[in-house]
This record gives sequence, C-alpha cells and structure tokens, in this order.
Amino acid sequence: GEDVEQSLFLSVREGDSSVINCTYTDSSSTYLYWYKQEPGAGLQLLTYIFSNMDMKQDQRLTVLLNKKDKHLSLRIADTQTGDSAIYFCAESPGGSKIIFGSGTRLSIRP
Amino acid sequence: DAGVIQSPRHEVTEMGQEVTLRCKPISGHDYLFWYRQTMMRGLELLIYFNNNVPIDDSGMPEDRFSAKMPNASFSTLKIQPSEPRDSAVYFCASSLGSGGSPFQETQYFGPGTRLLVL
Repeated sequence: GEDVEQSLFLSVREGDSSVINCTYTDSSSTYLYWYKQEPGAGLQLLTYIFSNMDMKQDQRLTVLLNKKDKHLSLRIADTQTGDSAIYFCAESPGGSKIIFGSGTRLSIRP
Repeated sequence: DAGVIQSPRHEVTEMGQEVTLRCKPISGHDYLFWYRQTMMRGLELLIYFNNNVPIDDSGMPEDRFSAKMPNASFSTLKIQPSEPRDSAVYFCASSLGSGGSPFQETQYFGPGTRLLVL
C-alpha cells in the first residue's frame, strides 16, 4: 500500500545542519514534497523534487532523492531558531492524490 | 492578497450537533482542498474541487461529512451529526491550476479550524 514514513523528532544545535529523512512506498510517485508547519498555522510548501532528479538545492535547503531505496531527505544548512517547526514529507503517486508522512518535529537548541 | 481564509478558527460543540466550517480560497485559484489533521492519522485529504465541481471525495470519512462549493470564492465542510472522533484541525487549501495534476503545484493553506466535539 501507499505509505510515507518519517521519524517523529529531531533536535539540532543552532548553526548545525539538520537532516530530515523520509521513506515512501509508491514507485509511481512523480513528485515528492517537503512542507513546513509552524505552530498554529497551515502547511507551507518548502520545496519539491521531480522523480527524475537526484538532488535539488534552494538556498539553505537541499533535497536528496534515492529512487532505488525510495528515500527522500531534506537538509537545512545553518539551522536557525526560525526553522523550528514540523516538517512533512509527501508523495504524489501518479499525480492523482497526495499522501503525507506523519511529520518530523524539529527543535533547535542553543 | 489575504491568503486562504477559514472560519471559525476554533469551534467547540457537543456530540450530535451540526458543525459548518467555511473557507474562502485565494481569488483566481481553480482548486480547493479540504484536509483533516489529527495526532493519530496525520494529515488526510478529504475532498477537492476544481472550478467548484467536486473531483474526488474518496477521503470523506462517512456520510456525516459533506462539502459544497457554491461559487469560486466560498466552500463549506459540514458534519452532521458531529461525534467526538471528529475532533481535529481542518485545513482548507487552494491552488492556481496550471493544467496538470493539482498535486504537482503549490497549495496554499489556510490557518485551519480547530474543532473539538465533546
């Protein structure tokens, strides 16, 4: 079946890099997404990657895709306190729907 | 643009009562989505509309849930009768509609309605 899995929590020191990992099951997913949810707010699309790409970089964000292992990661360089949020991985199997992971809560320690 | 607007922001009701959640999408957006977020089930897509027409309601949990979009600037999600297990945060989102899949473009989320059914 379709499933997206993420670890629930991640704690990093301010200034370090954060790496949030995700695994998905549907090999037909053409788009994979990372969303950010701040407390009391809706989801905000951070970035996405096409399934024919291995890597995408956007300022402090780097997305890596390993299609063979169905593994997606989001790296946030120079993590700041404003990066504290829940990060959701999502896949779009065949572009017909969207399936979200359970979210990874990123906390930043000084 | 004010973004996606949802009302109310918080709703507390008693089991058996009717609940109506409202959404105003971003002007000019062709797609509107309703999601539900709970600790147990995460974020689930309930239904989405294209140009006011429901396209996929397979995520609607049961007949107690209904959604309408009478015009391009307004949608409602109704629960009748409500049950405690309906307690969740309900999000509305909209997207422009560039001709491809609605899930292959940016969706803009509203702030959500936090529903508590006692």
